[in-house]
Amino acid sequence: SQTIHQWPATLVQPVGSPLSLECTVEGTSNPNLYWYRQAAGRGLQLLFYSVGIGQISSEVPQNLSASRPQDRQFILSSKKLLLSDSGFYLCAWGPGQFSNEQYFGPGTRLTVT
Amino acid sequence: AQKITQTQPGMFVQEKEAVTLDCTYDTSDQSYGLFWYKQPSSGEMIFLIYQGSYDEQNATEGRYSLNFQKARKSANLVISASQLGDSAMYFCAMRGTGGTSYGKLTFGQGTILTVHP
Repeated sequence: SQTIHQWPATLVQPVGSPLSLECTVEGTSNPNLYWYRQAAGRGLQLLFYSVGIGQISSEVPQNLSASRPQDRQFILSSKKLLLSDSGFYLCAWGPGQFSNEQYFGPGTRLTVT
Repeated sequence: AQKITQTQPGMFVQEKEAVTLDCTYDTSDQSYGLFWYKQPSSGEMIFLIYQGSYDEQNATEGRYSLNFQKARKSANLVISASQLGDSAMYFCAMRGTGGTSYGKLTFGQGTILTVHP
């Protein structure tokens, strides 16, 4: 069966520090991968998606970036965090763009101080 | 552009009763998918139910059913026989099939459901 992992689970970082969040998927190949952010008490906002290794599309201009160095690995990064980057970051995977499935990881709660 | 609207910030229901969570959507895609997710306080997003725009019958998954009214562009979630463990945030989401949608989901703002004993 497929599983999706995210780490770390929680993170507290000062403003201006770098960020690296990792997401990995097991039990499938060539998944579509997604990064979402959820502000407190709000819905999810899509940040990045990837349909293959090295293929990244950005949905929202910001100081975040994403990379997909391996088929089942998706990384969210920042060189300098802002206070507004605080939130709950969720990685998700789906088997294809027309699939009726999209599964989420456990999330990373980021607090920028 | 796609838009999902959930007009109920919070809902209350008595245990063992049914509850309907509202969701309306807007899209120019001819083919699309509608999802409902549950988010407990732990934060994980749990997939509940899916409805394709060309599915003629309403989707059902155990105690969850989706009341799909295509002409009205609504996709309400019905939870029957509510349980205390159903207390959570519920999100409606849409996946378009436009040229570059790539399975991306657009989410509503969510509805907090509280089940009273």
